[in-house]
Amino acid sequence: GAVVSQHPSWVICKSGTSVKIECRSLDFQATTMFWYRQFPKQSLMLMATSNEGSKATYEQGVEKDKFLINHASLTLSTLTVTSAHPEDSSFYICSASGTSTDTQYFGPGTRLTVL
Amino acid sequence: AQKITQTQPGMFVQEKEAVTLDCTYDTSDPSYGLFWYKQPSSGEMIFLIYQGSYDQQNATEGRYSLNFQKARKSANLVISASQLGDSAMYFCAMREGQMWDDKIIFGKGTRLHILP
Repeated sequence: GAVVSQHPSWVICKSGTSVKIECRSLDFQATTMFWYRQFPKQSLMLMATSNEGSKATYEQGVEKDKFLINHASLTLSTLTVTSAHPEDSSFYICSASGTSTDTQYFGPGTRLTVL
Repeated sequence: AQKITQTQPGMFVQEKEAVTLDCTYDTSDPSYGLFWYKQPSSGEMIFLIYQGSYDQQNATEGRYSLNFQKARKSANLVISASQLGDSAMYFCAMREGQMWDDKIIFGKGTRLHILP
């Protein structure tokens, strides 16, 4: 299967700071990337879908100004949590797909803790 | 309305027994795909099995099989001969459409505990 990486795997930051999470497809070109958020003991909730070179499509209720998504290349998408607050603490998972894949492949996730 | 329903929040099963995890779905799209993922405590999402809406046969992958009952909109996961390493969270998911860039929606999950 295709490989997707995320960096960092975990991050702790102070309230009010911004945090950037990277999602990379290592062995295929990801025309589409998806960002999910998972609170403890809950399911994955889709935040947004991004296509390379175009603006992300956000799910209802997700603040686009708070969660900035950039998908500037076929192997990299970034999620920036701006002015993070403790309620943004969560597990963020990306997935990627492309014309050479039959489905989405998930990254290992990033655990964000905002103090 | 929920599109994916998993009615079992948690299950306890004796090692080596078979286990069935329930999943029902709701869609009006004739073309869709159903997935099962395993999420151990490490958090990674491990793909287990896929069933397309037009597939005639039930999907199987090793010890995993998907009991696809289209008329009932049911896609239960069957794990045969359970192992201690099967203890994890299991998510049923659906993709409306069968393109690689269609989004996947997840159910709430079932936590499976395998007892020695």
